Amino acid sequence: ETGVTQTPRHLVMGMTNKKSLKCEQHLGHNAMYWYKQSAKKPLELMFVYNFKEQTENNSVPSRFSPECPNSSHLFLHLHTLQPEDSALYLCASSPRTFGGQLTSGNTIYFGEGSWLTVV
Amino acid sequence: GIQVEQSPPDLILQEGANSTLRCNFSDSVNNLQWFHQNPWGQLINLFYIPSGTKQNGRLSATTVATERYSLLYISSSQTTDSGVYFCAVDPIYNQGGKLIFGQGTELSVKP
Repeated sequence: ETGVTQTPRHLVMGMTNKKSLKCEQHLGHNAMYWYKQSAKKPLELMFVYNFKEQTENNSVPSRFSPECPNSSHLFLHLHTLQPEDSALYLCASSPRTFGGQLTSGNTIYFGEGSWLTVV
Repeated sequence: GIQVEQSPPDLILQEGANSTLRCNFSDSVNNLQWFHQNPWGQLINLFYIPSGTKQNGRLSATTVATERYSLLYISSSQTTDSGVYFCAVDPIYNQGGKLIFGQGTELSVKP
């Protein structure tokens, strides 16, 4: 139990469906992240939120739409996905974003991940 | 930008063996973390170690910041140690607000 909870753990969706992934953190952190991990590949950062504001969109296609209503919750809305979007989607949180002056002790914690299959 | 290289990319061990995983980085960093990704996909924090040495049970890690590398030691390996080990760094000149991950070392421990 890392304090970051993701639901659902597994999701199968058709290319015309609309679904959402949910992430909740109970660590009092201010920064939240979505990462994508395709088979046998390293983690790819998708989005960064700091105090509910999006600070980075790593050239992610618009069929992925993030939402951060507060510092504890992060959603990833999915629509008209492609089979190549099948992957493990990982949510993470940290006390603050990385870089800048206050870096000491800033550690990132990951949820268990959501396995997405697009058929 | 900073380069993070992990070696070896793959490692197969017999249960009970010891191993050393390496993470090299090309620029100075404020922050370095080691993670273990289990076969179910979850990334577990192992160490926050921007410098120095830490130990946690059979695992220990050493970061030599001046020489820009970190080592993860696994002693008396067990099958539950299997998975992928990642290091991630926060460069001093971080302009993206994010950690930079290495490619990982995939470890398989055989009974």
